[in-house]
Amino acid sequence: AQSVAQPEDQVNVAEGNPLTVKCTYSVSGNPYLFWYVQYPNRGLQFLLKYITGDNLVKGSYGFEAEFNKSQTSFHLKKPSALVSDSALYFCASPPDRGSTLGRLYFGRGTQLTVWP
Amino acid sequence: SQTIHQWPATLVQPVGSPLSLECTVEGTSNPNLYWYRQAAGRGLQLLFYSVGIGQISSEVPQNLSASRPQDRQFILSSKKLLLSDSGFYLCAWSDRGIITDTQYFGPGTRLTVL
Repeated sequence: AQSVAQPEDQVNVAEGNPLTVKCTYSVSGNPYLFWYVQYPNRGLQFLLKYITGDNLVKGSYGFEAEFNKSQTSFHLKKPSALVSDSALYFCASPPDRGSTLGRLYFGRGTQLTVWP
Repeated sequence: SQTIHQWPATLVQPVGSPLSLECTVEGTSNPNLYWYRQAAGRGLQLLFYSVGIGQISSEVPQNLSASRPQDRQFILSSKKLLLSDSGFYLCAWSDRGIITDTQYFGPGTRLTVL
């Protein structure tokens, strides 16, 4: 079974600085990994996903994520943070590679705060 | 393009009252549909998922139930609400049968049980 963990509940960064939101995974074989963002009182928005291929995945709103197999990580990154990036970020993966049901299990979420 | 709707957006209900939340998807056919609950603005708990009309799987036993009367309609219900049912309820859809498919979420319903 696959699972993900987000080791940081909160990340604070100054506007204009690079940001990183961490995600680690536990799976045998190649994982499928997703990042979502949630703004206050809103539904989740899909940012990007890793299925196979290039380890650097580019997504929406200038975000990208780097898949690192040796470190079992899939950290979300952005070169220059904006105040508007402040939100709750979720890493997710399907629980079972053999499943065709499309279920996703989510990490606990990391609250990103970008201060001006 | 596909869109997903949820209503109501907010709901305040007394303990012991019934519940009906509705989710509809437009612009796609035969989607997988999901109900999640998010408590205290944090982790998402998968409650139910459906791969077709009348086909419902429950992830967590509780006093909630789900139904799928039409291909693109998913309903979350309860006969008697508990205080612990308060939370943010999210509906999502994905294309059928492909594990790598993205899930797309609706705007959510904020439920407060008093």
